[in-house]
Amino acid sequence: QKEVEQDPGPLSVPEGAIVSLNCTYSNSAFQYFMWYRQYSRKGPELLMYTYSSGNKEDGRFTAQVDKSSKYISLFIRDSQPSDSATYLCAMSFGSSNTGKLIFGQGTTLQVKP
Amino acid sequence: DTAVSQTPKYLVTQMGNDKSIKCEQNLGHDTMYWYKQDSKKFLKIMFSYNNKELIINETVPNRFSPKSPDKAHLNLHINSLELGDSAVYFCASSQDTGREKLFFGSGTQLSVL
Repeated sequence: QKEVEQDPGPLSVPEGAIVSLNCTYSNSAFQYFMWYRQYSRKGPELLMYTYSSGNKEDGRFTAQVDKSSKYISLFIRDSQPSDSATYLCAMSFGSSNTGKLIFGQGTTLQVKP
Repeated sequence: DTAVSQTPKYLVTQMGNDKSIKCEQNLGHDTMYWYKQDSKKFLKIMFSYNNKELIINETVPNRFSPKSPDKAHLNLHINSLELGDSAVYFCASSQDTGREKLFFGSGTQLSVL
């Protein structure tokens, strides 16, 4: 079993839809939870960053962390064709953080006009 | 101005050859990384350097040797290339405080024939 599980998709939605992307994890020591977005032939870029449990909102994006269920989500409201990309969840440890991130496999999202 | 730049963008070579990938960051970060992304999009850390010192060395074959001449540069040399080394290699950097927030280069697509 991988430490971080993510459905690779692909996920195809019409423009304007609400998108829900999820990851589950097995290591309860994770403290930092991130979502990275990766466009084709580009490097990942940090989209959302959350420490411990709770919600965080940034424009059309909302990140949720449920540590009791070991489950994190990314919601995209009013999705746009420009949101078409691969979304990678990532996690790291707290006080012993060396910068090592554990990534999920990534979910490929296509938003159709 | 590109924040994290790596060269070359594409690398096609024969099995058994030796090759290098170069990375430079102009963000003033102290920590730099090499990540490998396989054909299934799994992104996994290989090495991490903090101010020219190696701090993460995952279970990577000895054929891979990173070198950091200064904190703005991190190169990756690969000896005796094998078919299984074919992947996209990403360089990244982060600040010491906030190592969860990685800034990635655009990647080097390595194809070993």
